[in-house]
Amino acid sequence: GESVGLHLPTLSVQEGDNSIINCAYSNSASDYFIWYKQESGKGPQFIIDIRSNMDKRQGQRVTVLLNKTVKHLSLQIAATQPGDSAVYFCAENKGTDKLIFGTGTRLQVFP
Amino acid sequence: KAGVTQTPRYLIKTRGQQVTLSCSPISGHRSVSWYQQTPGQGLQFLFEYFSETQRNKGNFPGRFSGRQFSNSRSEMNVSTLELGDSALYLCASSWDRNYEQYFGPGTRLTVT
Repeated sequence: GESVGLHLPTLSVQEGDNSIINCAYSNSASDYFIWYKQESGKGPQFIIDIRSNMDKRQGQRVTVLLNKTVKHLSLQIAATQPGDSAVYFCAENKGTDKLIFGTGTRLQVFP
Repeated sequence: KAGVTQTPRYLIKTRGQQVTLSCSPISGHRSVSWYQQTPGQGLQFLFEYFSETQRNKGNFPGRFSGRQFSNSRSEMNVSTLELGDSALYLCASSWDRNYEQYFGPGTRLTVT
């Protein structure tokens, strides 16, 4: 079946360190991937996306890597800050508007 | 540019009742998608509308329905509410498929 999963439910990092959040997907037909950040009481916030014709995309302090060979997606956050504490979701799309979300990883940033 | 807005933000209903939730997309966005978020099931796709037509549908019973108006605003309706319908209902808008979806703050529905 279709699924997008996350390896770690909770990630704890020290402020200033880099964070890496991983995601595995099972459908090789997916061609569009998105990372979202969700803070308590809020809707998911778009962070960065990547299409299947790319293997890396950079934003402000964030980088998404896509490895289609092993069907793996990762989000790297540089110099993690307390404001980065949230639940992070990866989502995949196969050319429709039906996003399939992973279970989420909680990122905790300690001073 | 204003973001996605959802009303109401919180709602308490009893079993058997029906409810209507509203979503106003970002100006210019034509696609509106609805998701249900629960601690047990995570984020699950309900349906997507584009130009007043339902383009895609998730695996939810027929009690869940929606519609989209000519101004792209969308509503979703849940009839004969069950306790398990308690969830955060999220609306997301985008320019079209395979473009980034922007989410609203959600409507927290509690069924008692």
